[in-house]
Amino acid sequence: NAGVTQTPKFQVLKTGQSMTLQCAQDMNHEYMSWYRQDPGMGLRLIHYSVGAGITDQGEVPNGYNVSRSTTEDFPLRLLSAAPSQTSVYFCASSYGVGTGELFFGEGSRLTVL
Amino acid sequence: TQLLEQSPQFLSIQEGENLTVYCNSSSVFSSLQWYRQEPGEGPVLLVTVVTGGEVKKLKRLTFQFGDARKDSSLHITAAQPGDTGLYLCAGYGNNRLAFGKGNQVVVIP
Repeated sequence: NAGVTQTPKFQVLKTGQSMTLQCAQDMNHEYMSWYRQDPGMGLRLIHYSVGAGITDQGEVPNGYNVSRSTTEDFPLRLLSAAPSQTSVYFCASSYGVGTGELFFGEGSRLTVL
Repeated sequence: TQLLEQSPQFLSIQEGENLTVYCNSSSVFSSLQWYRQEPGEGPVLLVTVVTGGEVKKLKRLTFQFGDARKDSSLHITAAQPGDTGLYLCAGYGNNRLAFGKGNQVVVIP
């Protein structure tokens, strides 16, 4: 019962470095999404995908790229990390678009120095 | 942008007391969900409400969806320390699930 798996769980970067947060789900879900969670700000949607080959921007997409080459994987790339991107990142998936339960990973805590 | 306002932001109560938290919006939602998040973990779905005026019960938790489908409430009866957590409401619109900022509930033994 893996569900949604995120790696790494913790990462420290220097300003300007790039990295990729990995997300994989084994439930054959079409819908996948990335959120960031900051104190007092709640969960904010970064990017989402309604199926392989299809991605779209969420509420706070700047500084992040995504791709969806397979149903299972939805990596989030930080192109040039900034201190403002220090946050906890959650990947989530669901069976359908606009319906049903979102299943979340355990989160990836990123610190940018 | 569909804003979901949750109140109160923080609530601390003694074990055995009752509590109610609220989720309000100016937008109409086709459905609204409540999640609970514990420290170091991702949110977990508690309930989905779909019909205006709907009431759902999950053990000691009672969820209500407003008649106009713009607001919802969560009532906990005889709260226990295990109810401690961040309660998040979320509504669907435009292929995305938007979350409120959450109600942080602390139940003191």
